[in-house]
Amino acid sequence: AQSVTQLDSQVPVFEEAPVELRCNYSSSVSVYLFWYVQYPNQGLQLLLKYLSGSTLVKGINGFEAEFNKSQTSFHLRKPSVHISDTAEYFCAVSDRGFGNEKLTFGTGTRLTIIP
Amino acid sequence: DTEVTQTPKHLVMGMTNKKSLKCEQHMGHRAMYWYKQKAKKPPELMFVYSYEKLSINESVPSRFSPECPNSSLLNLHLHALQPEDSALYLCASSQVSGTIGYEQYFGPGTRLTVT
Repeated sequence: AQSVTQLDSQVPVFEEAPVELRCNYSSSVSVYLFWYVQYPNQGLQLLLKYLSGSTLVKGINGFEAEFNKSQTSFHLRKPSVHISDTAEYFCAVSDRGFGNEKLTFGTGTRLTIIP
Repeated sequence: DTEVTQTPKHLVMGMTNKKSLKCEQHMGHRAMYWYKQKAKKPPELMFVYSYEKLSINESVPSRFSPECPNSSLLNLHLHALQPEDSALYLCASSQVSGTIGYEQYFGPGTRLTVT
């Protein structure tokens, strides 16, 4: 069975500073990895996904993530954050890239941007 | 159109009430999902429908009854709920098997309070 660990429950960052949100996964088969963002009182929005190919994945809002198979990691990065990036970020894994399969979410990281 | 809509936005119900949550998508997706999200926690999968048939039930109590009347609609019927069932209920949809680049699209959720 697959699992996801987000080591940091809260990350405070000054505005315009870089940020990295950490995600480690565990799976016995090929993995498909996702980062979702949840703004207050809203649903989840996909930031980016890794299915195959290039290990550096670019997403929306200036975010990117790097898939590292040897370290079983999929850390999310942004070079310069804005106030509007304040939200909850969830890393998720699916062991097959087909529809109607379950996503396993990490416990989330709350990103707080300090003006 | 990449929108998943959910109604109502908020719902307050007593423990003896019967109510329903509704979810709709017009993206042609044939997989639809119900998740439950408690405060400061990740979403937990409840049900998955694939081609209008229930494919996954994550051992959800029978007081929650899902229904998929057609490929665009997903309902969650609620009866005799407990206060601990108060949560944000999220609906999602995705393409099905054979589409390698699938992702789940989430609605904004229904905030349910059981009194």
